[in-house]
Amino acid sequence: QVQLEESGPGLVKPSETLSLTCTVSGGSVSTDNHYWSWVRQPPGKGLEWIGYIFYGGSTSYNPSLKSRVTISVDTSKNQFSLRLRSVIAADTAVYYCARVGGEFRDGYNLWGQGTLVTVSS
Amino acid sequence: YELTQPPSVSVSPGQTARITCSGDALPNQYAYWYQQKPGQAPVMVIYKDSERPSGIPERFSGSNSGTTVTLTISGVQAEDEADYYCQSADTSGTYGVFGGGTKLTVL
Repeated sequence: QVQLEESGPGLVKPSETLSLTCTVSGGSVSTDNHYWSWVRQPPGKGLEWIGYIFYGGSTSYNPSLKSRVTISVDTSKNQFSLRLRSVIAADTAVYYCARVGGEFRDGYNLWGQGTLVTVSS
Repeated sequence: YELTQPPSVSVSPGQTARITCSGDALPNQYAYWYQQKPGQAPVMVIYKDSERPSGIPERFSGSNSGTTVTLTISGVQAEDEADYYCQSADTSGTYGVFGGGTKLTVL
């Protein structure tokens, strides 16, 4: 059974870089049938799509975040990662990694449990 | 690109709840629905407009009528109280997008 788990610092200072990793267990990140995504949710607010990556490296990012975000994949570690540069308080959120695709087409069919990242000095 | 949902819907137990989601690209892109309970990750309840993942009760159904998609919960139960989000893509299929979410209250 495939599982996803986010990891990374829970506290980041303003203007610094937020870095999170999602470890895929029970399956492979190197699959033609799925792609891998990040979604965030500020406290008390709705879900926001950040972007996704295919294991071959092609990516798509939310236009509102594109200048600050990078999603990468490490097939040797079976992980994919998120980097968000120059963070501000508004980047405080629960960050989820998710698997997309397969029989579910563009649906987010598997989610990590989420990790809260607070931006504060 | 945006998907528009009503902020809240309220129904009594046993009644039918309908949650709508509107967007210009919905005639050309599939819609997906997620249920999120407090402190939990979202769970997909409908995919490709009207398909139901295994393990999701039959009372959950979805439909598409052009620029509006609808999640219908028939015979609502107390355990269905949650936030519901629609999700789709822009016209080109390049960017993902979530609706603002609808809080379903079971009276």
